[in-house]
Amino acid sequence: ETGVTQTPRHLVMGMTNKKSLKCEQHLGHNAMYWYKQSAKKPLELMFVYNFKEQTENNSVPSRFSPECPNSSHLFLHLHTLQPEDSALYLCASSQERRGAYNEQFFGPGTRLTVL
Amino acid sequence: GQNIDQPTEMTATEGAIVQINCTYQTSGFNGLFWYQQHAGEAPTFLSYNVLDGLEEKGRFSSFLSRSKGYSYLLLKELQMKDSASYLCAVSGYSTLTFGKGTMLLVSP
Repeated sequence: ETGVTQTPRHLVMGMTNKKSLKCEQHLGHNAMYWYKQSAKKPLELMFVYNFKEQTENNSVPSRFSPECPNSSHLFLHLHTLQPEDSALYLCASSQERRGAYNEQFFGPGTRLTVL
Repeated sequence: GQNIDQPTEMTATEGAIVQINCTYQTSGFNGLFWYQQHAGEAPTFLSYNVLDGLEEKGRFSSFLSRSKGYSYLLLKELQMKDSASYLCAVSGYSTLTFGKGTMLLVSP
C-alpha cells in the first residue's frame, strides 16, 4: 500500500460510453498526476495538478478531462474513447518542495479496455 | 525535450549481480529516479541520485554521472522476487520523464 488508491481497478467500456476514474491520496501531498502506461511504451505524463491547479497538460486529447476538486482527490473523465486508449492509467502524488526531490507515490492503476 | 534509453530486457540467475544502465539527454536536470514495477502493480520508489557517485541501499545501489548523462542500477544477491520492470526516470524542471523500463527476469 502506497497511500494512493484508485477505483475502479478494471474497466471495460464502449466507444460511446462516459466513465470516470477516481484517485485518492492519503499522504497529505499537494501535487497529483495522471499517467498512461501502454505496452512497450514508457509511462506518459498526462496531467499535473499542483495545489489543485492544473499546471501541465501534455497535449492530451479532449476526450480525457481531468478534475481536481481538492488536494486529495483526482478524477479522469472519459468520453468517446478509441480502442488505442486501452492502457493502464496510473495516478501518483508527491509533496512539491523547493530544493528537495519530489518522490512520486503511485496508485495501483486502472486497467482500461475500450471496445 | 527529454530522451531516456535503457535496455528492454535482461536475464540473470538467482544469487548473481546485474547492472541495468540508463542514458539520458534532457533540457533540465533535477535528479534521476529508479522505480521497480511488478506486473500488474504500481511502480515503487527505489533510489534517487542528484549528485555524481554511488548511492547504496541494501542490495540495491544506484550510480550517476551527470557529465555523461548516465546512470545504472546495481542489484546484488538476486532473488526471484526481483523479477520486475525497472524504470529510469529523470526529473526535469517540473516533472518526471520515464524510460520504457527494463524487464528483468531472474531464473533459478
